[in-house]
Amino acid sequence: GENVGLHLPTLSVQEGDNSIINCAYSNSASDYFIWYKQESGKGPQFIIDIRSNMDKRQGQRVTVLLNKTVKHLSLQIAATQPGDSAVYFCAENRSSGYALNFGKGTSLLVTP
Amino acid sequence: EPEVTQTPSHQVTQMGQEVILRCVPISNHLYFYWYRQILGQKVEFLVSFYNNEISEKSEIFDDQFSVERPDGSNFTLKIRSTKLEDSAMYFCASSGPLRGSNQPQHFGDGTRLSIL
Repeated sequence: GENVGLHLPTLSVQEGDNSIINCAYSNSASDYFIWYKQESGKGPQFIIDIRSNMDKRQGQRVTVLLNKTVKHLSLQIAATQPGDSAVYFCAENRSSGYALNFGKGTSLLVTP
Repeated sequence: EPEVTQTPSHQVTQMGQEVILRCVPISNHLYFYWYRQILGQKVEFLVSFYNNEISEKSEIFDDQFSVERPDGSNFTLKIRSTKLEDSAMYFCASSGPLRGSNQPQHFGDGTRLSIL
C-alpha cells in the first residue's frame, strides 16, 4: 500500500545552522512530491515541490532532493531561523490522482 | 496573495447532528480537496472534486460524507450524522489553474470540529 513516512519525529537545530529533514516513501509509482510547513493552529503551507523527472530543486533558502533509487526525499533549509520552527510534512501524489498522501511530520525546533 | 478561507474556525456539535464545513477556494483554481487531521496525527485525504464531481475519495469518505460546490465560489463538506471519531481539524485545499497536472495544493487554516 501507499506509505509515506519520516525518519525523525523531532529535530533541534541552532539558529544559523542548516537543517535537513528526511522522508521515505514506498510507492514507486509516485511522480510528484511536495513539502509543507505547518505552524500551530494553521493549515499546511506550501514550501517546495519536485517532480520525479528531477532530482533536485531549489527555492529561497530551501532545497529538495529526490532519490528515486532508494525512494528518499529530503528538505534542506539553509541558515535556519527561529521562524522556521514548525512541523514539516512531506507528501506524494496518490497513485490514482492528484490527491496527496502525507507523511507523519517532523517537528523542527530552532534555538537561538 | 490569494488564499483559501474556511468557516467556521471552530464548530462544536452534538453527536448525531449534521454539520456543514465551508470553504472558499482560490478563485482561479479548478481542483478542490478536503483533508482531515486528528490531533497529533498526519493529514489524511478525504475527497477531491473537479468539474463538479468527485474525482477521488479515500476509505474515510463513507456515505456519511458529501461535498458540494453550490455556486461559483463555495465548496462545502457535509457530515450527515456526526460521530465522536469525526472530531478533527478539517482542511480545505485547492490547486490550479492548469488542467491535468500536479500542482501545489494551497490549504486553508482549517475548521476544528469537536463532537460532544
